[in-house]
Amino acid sequence: DAGITQSPRHKVTETGTPVTLRCHQTENHRYMYWYRQDPGHGLRLIHYSYGVKDTDKGEVSDGYSVSRSKTEDFLLTLESATSSQTSVYFCAISDPGSSYNSPLHFGNGTRLTVT
Amino acid sequence: SQQGEEDPQALSIQEGENATMNCSYKTSINNLQWYRQNSGRGLVHLILIRSNEREKHSGRLRVTLDTSKKSSSLLITASRAADTASYFCATDASNTDKLIFGTGTRLQVFP
Repeated sequence: DAGITQSPRHKVTETGTPVTLRCHQTENHRYMYWYRQDPGHGLRLIHYSYGVKDTDKGEVSDGYSVSRSKTEDFLLTLESATSSQTSVYFCAISDPGSSYNSPLHFGNGTRLTVT
Repeated sequence: SQQGEEDPQALSIQEGENATMNCSYKTSINNLQWYRQNSGRGLVHLILIRSNEREKHSGRLRVTLDTSKKSSSLLITASRAADTASYFCATDASNTDKLIFGTGTRLQVFP
């Protein structure tokens, strides 16, 4: 899995609580992404990062924030979890250059349930 | 909204048959990529085709790209039960660093 570790793999949390998902890579890749996958919607981009402290929004960024203080770690935070954020979250990395010039390598996902 | 849409949504075939999946997209692209996802796993990159290419092969995979119709197809020849998975196309959005995925085709190959 291209040296990508997502943690936790599964999490159940209550509505209104903050949640942080972690993506750790050992590939020293510049670009990191967070996607969510839901039935009928495929994968949708939440946020991405093109370097340390450089991040940008994706298609479905509302209710999410990210941070990247080190090349190897990209954190996704749900500031106040809602049931609509129940999903499977995937981290991906790519290098060199931009995602449209090189393939993405995905982690195995975090299954988040908000009750 | 999705940049890419796959067709069909689901496909069931017997081992040995060929499987064809189609992808349509909305805006001009630099490249189009195809990915496979086995149940419970992350996506795995299969093939990338650039906008100036019309056809590309990789093993039993054949990808075509028609930029005039804004469409691509993925052909898996001589399918195997192990090819059972979901297949996604992905395109860049307006020359950005964002890769946008379609909703996928679920392929079931029966032994």
